[in-house]
Amino acid sequence: DARVTQTPRHKVTEMGQEVTMRCQPILGHNTVFWYRQTMMQGLELLAYFRNRAPLDDSGMPKDRFSAEMPDATLATLKIQPSEPRDSAVYFCASGYTGDRRRVQQFFGPGTRLTVL
Amino acid sequence: GENVGLHLPTLSVQEGDNSIINCAYSNSASDYFIWYKQESGKGPQFIIDIRSNMDKRQGQRVTVLLNKTVKHLSLQIAATQPGDSAVYFCAEKGSLFSGGYNKLIFGAGTRLAVHP
Repeated sequence: DARVTQTPRHKVTEMGQEVTMRCQPILGHNTVFWYRQTMMQGLELLAYFRNRAPLDDSGMPKDRFSAEMPDATLATLKIQPSEPRDSAVYFCASGYTGDRRRVQQFFGPGTRLTVL
Repeated sequence: GENVGLHLPTLSVQEGDNSIINCAYSNSASDYFIWYKQESGKGPQFIIDIRSNMDKRQGQRVTVLLNKTVKHLSLQIAATQPGDSAVYFCAEKGSLFSGGYNKLIFGAGTRLAVHP
């Protein structure tokens, strides 16, 4: 049963610290998405990659957030320095977008981040 | 995952009744739609999808209806069970003018509460 995995599941850190979240997409998927979910904003797309290349990171605060995909099995989202307003659940999703008619995304369980 | 709670519309139903969750989408050119279910503490989970060349598609206990004339999507759940309690999101495929075809544009979500 293929699924997206994310680590850590929970992270509590202090303001100013660096946070790195990791995602392993489903094998064979060529597109990886990072979302942030909060009570107030709902589900927001931060960035996404296709074939490991960043396609869109317009939803991401550029000064402190960075997303990379060092290889096909790992995507990372880094926050440096972290701030209390970054507290949220961060989801990774993967999909196959070779068929433009279907862009189904499969979500991971999320990383719940709390910045004190 | 942390569900959007403060301003989510809520649908309350009795166990065994049928549920209908509605969604209005924005782009008349959208040709692919998905319904996701998000249970407390989990990531969104794919339920069912539909292409714009169809107006109805059925799954196990779920039916999605698409009305392109009024840009309306609905999810019908038959014989609703307590396990159906969750937040339901509709999503439409992005377009050239909404960030690209690889993206999904998510609605705000509807909370379904099933009472025994």
